[in-house]
Order: sequence, then C-alpha cells, then structure tokens
Amino acid sequence: QLQLQESGPGLVKSSETLSLTCSVSGGSISIGSTYWAWIRQPPGKGLEWIGSMHHGGGTFYNSSLKSRVTTSIDTSKNKFFLQLKSVTASDTAVYYCASPRVGSLDAFDIWGQGTIVTVSS
Amino acid sequence: SYVLTQTPSVSVAPGKTARITCGGNNIGSKSVHWFQQKPGQAPVLVVNDDSERPSGIPERFSGSNSGNTATLTISRVEVGDEADYYCQVWDGGSDHVVFGGGTKLTVL
Repeated sequence: QLQLQESGPGLVKSSETLSLTCSVSGGSISIGSTYWAWIRQPPGKGLEWIGSMHHGGGTFYNSSLKSRVTTSIDTSKNKFFLQLKSVTASDTAVYYCASPRVGSLDAFDIWGQGTIVTVSS
Repeated sequence: SYVLTQTPSVSVAPGKTARITCGGNNIGSKSVHWFQQKPGQAPVLVVNDDSERPSGIPERFSGSNSGNTATLTISRVEVGDEADYYCQVWDGGSDHVVFGGGTKLTVL
C-alpha cells in the first residue's frame, strides 16, 4: 500500500526558502503517469493546491505561487521535493504531499499526514 | 481562473440526509471529486469522478453533477460524519487543480 510522509523544518524565517521532502513507500515514484502533488492548508482555512509533478519532468503549478515554487523528484531515493522561496507569514500552513488515483491527475486518494510550517518574522 | 463555490456550513440531524453543493460555471462538464476532512487529519477522498466511491467509503456517500452544480449527498447521517467537505476539479483551461472553499457539516 502506497504511503507518503512529509518532512522538513517546522519553522522558517520570513524571506527565506521553505524546503520540504515527501518520502514515498510501498510503491515506485517512477510508476506510470502519476503526477505527485503538493497541497497546503493555512490555519483555519481551506485547501490550496501548490503544484503537481511527474518523474519524467512534467509539472503544473498554481499560477499564484509559480514564481516562487520549485519542485523536483529523486527517483533513486523515491522522494519528491518542494521549495518555496521568499516566504512570508501567509505561507504558514500545513503542507501535504498527495498522490492521485491511477489514471487521474487530481483525485487524490493517498495523502501524507501533513507537516506544519510556521513562518516567523 | 475557475472558481468553485460552497456553502460555508450545513447542519443536519442524525439519521437524516445532508446535501452539500459545489457551484461552478458549467461544472457538469468537469469531473468532480469530494474530500472529507476531520480536525487534525488529512483529507480523505469520499467520491471521485462525480459519483464513484473509493474502496472503503460507505454507500451512504453519493455524488451527482449537472449544469452548474455538483452535489455530495450523505444519507442516514451519523455523528461521525461531522467534518469539513471540499469539492475539487481539474480546470483544463488553466491546467490547475481547484478546490472549493469547503463546507462544515454539523450533525446536531
């Protein structure tokens, strides 16, 4: 059974870069047409999609974040990564990595537990 | 950009039927997915592609989608169904995943 686990610093200083890792277990990150996703949720607010990426290099990003987002995949480590630069307090959120159902871009049926990132001034 | 609109809150008595709506321009032409999120937990997919139930999701959860409104219906509501519910689509025009603002279901 596929499982995802986020990791990274829980506290990031304003104007610096947030870096998170999603570790994939129970399956290969290189499988088929899976687009691996990052989604976040500010405290008390709704879900916001950050972006989705394929091991072959294809990416889709939320246009509101695109200028600050970088994603990558390490197939040898079965991990994928998120970098968000020039963070502000509004980037404080729970960050989730997620995987969609086979054959889908967006019906996310596997989620990590989420990691809380706080941006401090 | 494509916008999904959800009523912020819905209340229902146990045993009754809850209907949670998601509005969007011609949403009937898109595939809608629904997520349930309980406090402190990651979201769970409860309906995908308008009306399909993933494995393990009770038959009490069903979905429909037509015109400008998609609906998640929860029959015989239980106290354990109390949660936030989010609709979501893929907007091919912008190549974006779009989430609705969420609906808080309260079981009275």
